Amino acid sequence: QSVLTQPPSASGTPGQRVSISCSGSSSNIETNTVNWYQQLPGTAPKLLIYANNQRPSGVPDRFSGSKSGTSASLAISGLRSEDEADYYCSSWDDGLKGGVFGGGTKLTVL
Amino acid sequence: VQMVESGGGVVQPGRSLRLSCVASGFTFNFFTMHWVRQAPGKGLDWVALISYDGSDKYYADSAKGRFTISRDNSKNTVYLQINSLRPDDTAVYYCARASTNLPSSASLDFWGQGSRVTVSS
Repeated sequence: QSVLTQPPSASGTPGQRVSISCSGSSSNIETNTVNWYQQLPGTAPKLLIYANNQRPSGVPDRFSGSKSGTSASLAISGLRSEDEADYYCSSWDDGLKGGVFGGGTKLTVL
Repeated sequence: VQMVESGGGVVQPGRSLRLSCVASGFTFNFFTMHWVRQAPGKGLDWVALISYDGSDKYYADSAKGRFTISRDNSKNTVYLQINSLRPDDTAVYYCARASTNLPSSASLDFWGQGSRVTVSS
């Protein structure tokens, strides 16, 4: 099982707001930054949110991130069909001295 | 910015393999580089990182002992040597650039397209 815990699936209808959680511990999320990646089917992952809540250039402001304590969250507002993808949270773990990922959340746009 | 991985293929269990990742479009020797793998139908699995000058290396527990990350800054290339390959090493292996040289605050801001490794007899 993954060090960071995400729900395996999430869904919403076009225009809705959905949220994906990521649960960690004091050795990773609580003390280090959280990043989120989007992986469209058959493609490499793409950085979506970095440093907990920052968007790289080109990422729509419909995507937002937050962090509190040992948990983080990705929110997508105004859901669109092209948002259907797998989403992964990631952080650094001070105890493992390595990067850690969540198991991924498959987002379905109904 | 671009990274292109190569060196994957079908390999028998117990054999070795070296993956390469050639980077372009940025000053390679300024950046820490990572390898991340993804088994078929599974999630992302962090493998290793190497600092901008090669002086620091970190490995996932699953990679310690059989995997070696290295780089040649004169060739803008990062490598991943995998020894004693096992069927559960079957995955797409991605190289990625770290946004900063401090692992605790770095994100992976650019990724290669991946190199597929299949371990099978």
